[in-house]
This record gives sequence, structure tokens and C-alpha cells, in this order.
Amino acid sequence: DSGVTQTPKHLITATGQRVTLRCSPRSGDLSVYWYQQSLDQGLQFLIQYYNGEERAKGNILERFSAQQFPDLHSELNLSSLELGDSALYFCASSVSKGRGYEQYFGPGTRLTVT
Amino acid sequence: AQKITQTQPGMFVQEKEAVTLDCTYDTSDPSYGLFWYKQPSSGEMIFLIYQGSYDQQNATEGRYSLNFQKARKSANLVISASQLGDSAMYFCAMREGGKVTGANSKLTFGKGITLSVRP
Repeated sequence: DSGVTQTPKHLITATGQRVTLRCSPRSGDLSVYWYQQSLDQGLQFLIQYYNGEERAKGNILERFSAQQFPDLHSELNLSSLELGDSALYFCASSVSKGRGYEQYFGPGTRLTVT
Repeated sequence: AQKITQTQPGMFVQEKEAVTLDCTYDTSDPSYGLFWYKQPSSGEMIFLIYQGSYDQQNATEGRYSLNFQKARKSANLVISASQLGDSAMYFCAMREGGKVTGANSKLTFGKGITLSVRP
């Protein structure tokens, strides 16, 4: 158990819909990262938040948005969903101390868009 | 150009034997970190080992060691005494840039290598 929690574990929805994925980082971790894993694109960085502020953006679509709340949990909002958005979405949090500031991943949310 | 290259399509190893999973990387930043993650069929991503670009010694974590060859830009993972539970996908990843307290940069992942351990 990495200490990072994600809900829901599975999500099935239809095209055009909007969903929200939730993530709680490890206790004390201020950085939260969102990644998307799909068969064709592999593991791709979407966005990073640090202590409530957006720090970096990767290949995140305009239909997607995220935020980090004062209690440090984060939400990834996906709207106008398309079939191609079906993927495993990971949240990771970064240790605040340590040699490599390694990222610990949550169990992921598997999104299926039908 | 790909920043992390993992070209082995699939690897097989006999139980109790050692196996090396290859990873090459590309960066012009003198400060970077290299990571290996394991993804079993259940889907979770498990952190295995870390190597910093300025580390003088190869990293080791239990049965995992990282063969870091900086000049060749390779960071191969060595798993000793393979176990059936080691069967999984293995990802090499890189963080570019020095560590900035609390605001670390993203990981760039390779495409992964599938490892199958035979009994």
C-alpha cells in the first residue's frame, strides 16, 4: 500500500459525459501528479500541483482540468468524454524528504468510455 | 527523440535466476534522477529503486540493483533470485533537473518491459 488513495477504482460512462476522479496523497506530501496510461500513448504526465497551486502541465487536454484543495486532496475533472479518453488514470504524490523525491502512485482509476 | 528507451519486448527468466532489464535515457541536464517501477497485472505502480545522476555508487534495494553507466546513459535494472511474483511490467522513468524542495518535476516513462518468471 503506497498510502495514496484514489476513488473510484472503476468508472464506466458514456461519450459526452463528465467525470471527477479523486486522489488523496500520502500524509505530508505536498505535490500531487496526475498521469494517464493508455495502450497507444503509454504513461503520460498530465498535470502537477504543489500545495494547492498548479506547478506544471503536460499533455493535458483542454477538456480536462484539475485542482488541489486546502486539505491537499486533488480532483481531476474530465469533460466531454470521448472513446479515446478510456485509460487508467494515476495520481502520485511526492515524498517531502528523501534522496530522490520518488513518487508513490495510487491504485489508479480505470475509466471506460462507451 | 525519446527520453527513455526500453527496447526489450518481453523477457523470460527461470525462477531463482537473475535478470537484467535494459533502459537508456537521453537528457542534456546534468542533474537528473532515474527510477524503476513495477506494474503487476493488478495495475498498481510500485516504486522499486532510485539512482541520482551524481550518485557515485549503484543503487541497491534488496533483490533489486541498478547498473548505472552514466557515460553510456544507461540505467539497467538487475533483479537477483527471480521469484514468480516478479512477473510484471517494469518501467524505467526519469526526472530531469535538480531537486527543488517540495516542488519536484514530472517523471517521463519508457514504454515498459514485460517480465515473465518461469517456475
